[in-house]
Amino acid sequence: AQSVTQLGSHVSVSEGALVLLRCNYSSSVPPYLFWYVQYPNQGLQLLLKYTSAATLVKGINGFEAEFKKSETSFHLTKPSAHMSDAAEYFCAVSERGNTGKLIFGQGTTLQVKP
Amino acid sequence: DSGVTQTPKHLITATGQRVTLRCSPRSGDLSVYWYQQSLDQGLQFLIQYYNGEERAKGNILERFSAQQFPDLHSELNLSSLELGDSALYFCASSVEGFSPDTQYFGPGTRLTVL
Repeated sequence: AQSVTQLGSHVSVSEGALVLLRCNYSSSVPPYLFWYVQYPNQGLQLLLKYTSAATLVKGINGFEAEFKKSETSFHLTKPSAHMSDAAEYFCAVSERGNTGKLIFGQGTTLQVKP
Repeated sequence: DSGVTQTPKHLITATGQRVTLRCSPRSGDLSVYWYQQSLDQGLQFLIQYYNGEERAKGNILERFSAQQFPDLHSELNLSSLELGDSALYFCASSVEGFSPDTQYFGPGTRLTVL
């Protein structure tokens, strides 16, 4: 069965510092991987997704993630944090097939300090 | 605004009762997904419909049921409610209904069972 593990339920960075949110997946076949962001009292919004076209994926708001098969990882990074990046971030995995169901990690809350 | 609408935004009810949550997908999207977000279980996939037919089932309780109507809106019915059913219920929609389709999430319905 597929699963996702997000290391660190809370991450705190200073404004302008590097953001690194960790995600490791478990899958017997090459998966599709996603990062979603949830701002307070809102639904989830897609940041980026890996579809096997390229291992380095660029998303919205300056975020990017690198798929590393050897490490079964899909970590999310942003070079310089903004206060507006404070939110909860979810990594998700989906299998190839005729369903699009997403299996989510537990989420990581990003705090950005001034 | 994702284009996915959910009603009601908040719902407060008592144990043993039955409620119906409604979702309207983005224009042109044929597939609807339901997810439950709770503090102890995180974000969990419940069920997926594609063009009126059930496509995938997740950890959905037998007390819960869903359907997708000819106009593509969907309803999630929760019955014999328990305190543990209190959660945020999200609806998402996508075009094709299989990965790596992007799923667009609605703002959610917050259910409180007293």
